[in-house]
Amino acid sequence: DTAVSQTPKYLVTQMGNDKSIKCEQNLGHDTMYWYKQDSKKFLKIMFSYNNKELIINETVPNRFSPKSPDKAHLNLHINSLELGDSAVYFCASSQDDGRSNTEAFFGQGTRLTVV
Amino acid sequence: TQLLEQSPQFLSIQEGENLTVYCNSSSVFSSLQWYRQEPGEGPVLLVTVVTGGEVKKLKRLTFQFGDARKDSSLHITAAQPGDTGLYLCAGARWFSGTYKYIFGTGTRLKVLA
Repeated sequence: DTAVSQTPKYLVTQMGNDKSIKCEQNLGHDTMYWYKQDSKKFLKIMFSYNNKELIINETVPNRFSPKSPDKAHLNLHINSLELGDSAVYFCASSQDDGRSNTEAFFGQGTRLTVV
Repeated sequence: TQLLEQSPQFLSIQEGENLTVYCNSSSVFSSLQWYRQEPGEGPVLLVTVVTGGEVKKLKRLTFQFGDARKDSSLHITAAQPGDTGLYLCAGARWFSGTYKYIFGTGTRLKVLA
């Protein structure tokens, strides 16, 4: 019974294609995130949603569009994929209770390869 | 973006040795977390330190938050092969009504049997 699950785990696609990654959490958390981990293992936040509302939007190309249909889901759609988009994308969730020691629970990641 | 630098970047040691990983920044954080990530998996939280100077122990792992809350260290005693993984620190900063977590550059640890 996975807490944060994302699909697919692997995604290989050609440049210029549009693809989506789905994420679901069954922890009852109200905050969800998308992170990108590059080949050097640097983990950088892309977006954060709280109760379906966008609260953090880092400097990410407009080709990336997150969508949160409800607070248990946060999907990531990517248009016109580029070689530089190749990375591992992690979804995470946490309970935002106004404290700084909130634990984030991560999914297993989606390894995106653009060829 | 405030960068959290971790050192060393890579570490390969023999089973039974001790090691320390450092996480440094020029910025103050409300709290500092340490995560461990294994291949093919997402990061998993090990500990959160909140108070300057705070020390927390988790079995053979000792975590310390710097007095000025700008840096942290992770010390592992008698390392075991099961400690192998990517260790990430993450600092919390208040941003637009919520806490934003900035991850460090990572330390890849390999413990040889």
